[in-house]
Formats: sequence, C-alpha cells, structure tokens
Amino acid sequence: DADVTQTPRNRITKTGKRIMLECSQTKGHDRMYWYRQDPGLGLRLIYYSFDVKDINKGEISDGYSVSRQAQAKFSLSLESAIPNQTALYFCATRAPGDVNEQFFGPGTRLTVL
Amino acid sequence: GQNIDQPTEMTATEGAIVQINCTYQTSGFNGLFWYQQHAGEAPTFLSYNVLDGLEEKGRFSSFLSRSKGYSYLLLKELQMKDSASYLCAVMDSNYQLIWGAGTKLIIKP
Repeated sequence: DADVTQTPRNRITKTGKRIMLECSQTKGHDRMYWYRQDPGLGLRLIYYSFDVKDINKGEISDGYSVSRQAQAKFSLSLESAIPNQTALYFCATRAPGDVNEQFFGPGTRLTVL
Repeated sequence: GQNIDQPTEMTATEGAIVQINCTYQTSGFNGLFWYQQHAGEAPTFLSYNVLDGLEEKGRFSSFLSRSKGYSYLLLKELQMKDSASYLCAVMDSNYQLIWGAGTKLIIKP
C-alpha cells in the first residue's frame, strides 16, 4: 500500500465550483505540505502544517484553504475554482527534524474549465 | 529574491554519462536535494548534500560547492529508465524547500 495517498487522482470542474483534494499518510509524519506544479515552473508551496493545530501559508496560498483533520490527513480546498488553478497538485510529508527528505503522494491532476 | 537555475532539457545516449547542473541564490542554506520525477508521477528523493564535496550512491552522484552556489547531479551508465525530470531543491534558512523548475533528461538508444 502507498504511504501517501491522494484523492481524487483526476478531476475536471467548472469555474466557481468548490473543490476539495484529500491527502492521507501512513508514515506517521507530523509535517505535511501541499504543492502545485505547472509546466516550466518549479513546485510551489501552497500551505504546510507541522501538527494538527498548526497551519502555515506558503508562497501561493491565495484562493486556497486547508484543514488538518488529524495527523494523518491534510485537505486542500479551492473555495471558488478558477481556470488558472488548473495544475498538478502534490501532497508531501516529512519526518520530524530539520533536514529530512519529503515523501510525495501520486498527485491530483485538476482541470478548471 | 530566491532563485534556483537548472537547464530545461538535456539529451544523452544510453550507456553514457550526463551531468545536470544547478545554481542557486537563496536566503540561507540548509542543504540541497535532488529528486527524480517521471512524467505524471510523484517526485522521489535521490540525494542530499549539505557539506562541500561529492556524495556517491550507485550510478548517481551529487556534488556541492556552497561558496559557488552550485551543485550537479552525475548519472553514469545511463539506462532508458533514467529518462525523467530531475529537480534541484534548496532548503533555506526557514527550512523550507525552494524548487528549481527541473531538467528534463531524454535518453536515446
């Protein structure tokens, strides 16, 4: 079984719709991240969380919100989707400690029409 | 501002050696990571450097020069399965990763 899972894997929606992307992990990591990836650009951090009650904005948080429902779950919401939010979205986790690699989920391909 | 530069695309021949360069300018430095990403898949960790020098791991090696803000990933004995994007990322003073756009490596028979 995968350590980091994301649902859905693919989603097509319309402008103005509310969308939730979910991430679950069985690695027992406290740190979780949401990124988006666009062609020709590096991964950009949307939000991150170091614990259930800890939520931090990343580089491009506008238009997004998150919820850390439990240590193992971190959800990303688009309250009113717009076409320039079409991208590949990745969830990642990291073990405690300052320097450890991140483990990525398989990604969610979101298309906003 | 913070910036990571790497070539957009490189082509190499199966069995050969290729070096993918990465230069960076960041606010603080707590290490440099290389990840591999096959098309449509998640990035997977390859290497981490925090001290100057070469780290070797099988067919892959990664080099760091902190004074020059420079790293490279060296891939030896290239195989077709090495066709992927290679992402360079620097951990800044806040322990956040700053990502390059990635280098797409095309391997030809």
